[in-house]
Amino acid sequence: GAVVSQHPSRVICKSGTSVKIECRSLDFQATTMFWYRQFPKQSLMLMATSNEGSKATYEQGVEKDKFLINHASLTLSTLTVTSAHPEDSSFYICSARDPTARDRGRDGYTFGSGTRLTVV
Amino acid sequence: AQKVTQAQTEISVVEKEDVTLDCVYETRDTTYYLFWYKQPPSGELVFLIRRNSFDEQNEISGRYSWNFQKSTSSFNFTITASQVVDSAVYFCALSELPFRNTPLVFGKGTRLSVIA
Repeated sequence: GAVVSQHPSRVICKSGTSVKIECRSLDFQATTMFWYRQFPKQSLMLMATSNEGSKATYEQGVEKDKFLINHASLTLSTLTVTSAHPEDSSFYICSARDPTARDRGRDGYTFGSGTRLTVV
Repeated sequence: AQKVTQAQTEISVVEKEDVTLDCVYETRDTTYYLFWYKQPPSGELVFLIRRNSFDEQNEISGRYSWNFQKSTSSFNFTITASQVVDSAVYFCALSELPFRNTPLVFGKGTRLSVIA
């Protein structure tokens, strides 16, 4: 089945530094990738939608200069949290659209395993 | 605009009890997909089921069953004979315009605790 590899799984960084999170689709071409953020005991909130080769579309309230998304290839999308602060500490998870997953047993949205970011 | 409501924030049951997690959705589309995911403490999302709006058949998979009722815009999930390993947060989600570039919209989740 479709797999999205997300790295790192956990990262601790100092306030003011930048962190890059990678999501790779291993066996399919992900033309569209969604990035979600999940604060403790809350739901997954969409941050942005990225399409390969074009600029990402950010949800209202998400700072595009702070959360840089690059989707330069069909198999790789990255989220860079720039000048991270403690309030950016969260669980970040990517989801790739898998256009081949049309049968009933698959969801068509393949999720990475998530990245737990802690900013100290 | 689409919306998914999971009114139950937390549920605790004793092992072997049956438990139903409620999901109510709103959408203006006539064609849409509904999903359930399980999120264990490790954080990854485990896909459980996808159902399209034209398929109102109930589904059973082992101890899991789903009841889709378009008339009440509900897609409820029942776990029969619950086990401790079922303890997790469960999310109901909605996707409009299936298989186009639209994201999933998630409910707030229901935290299920199964006590031995």
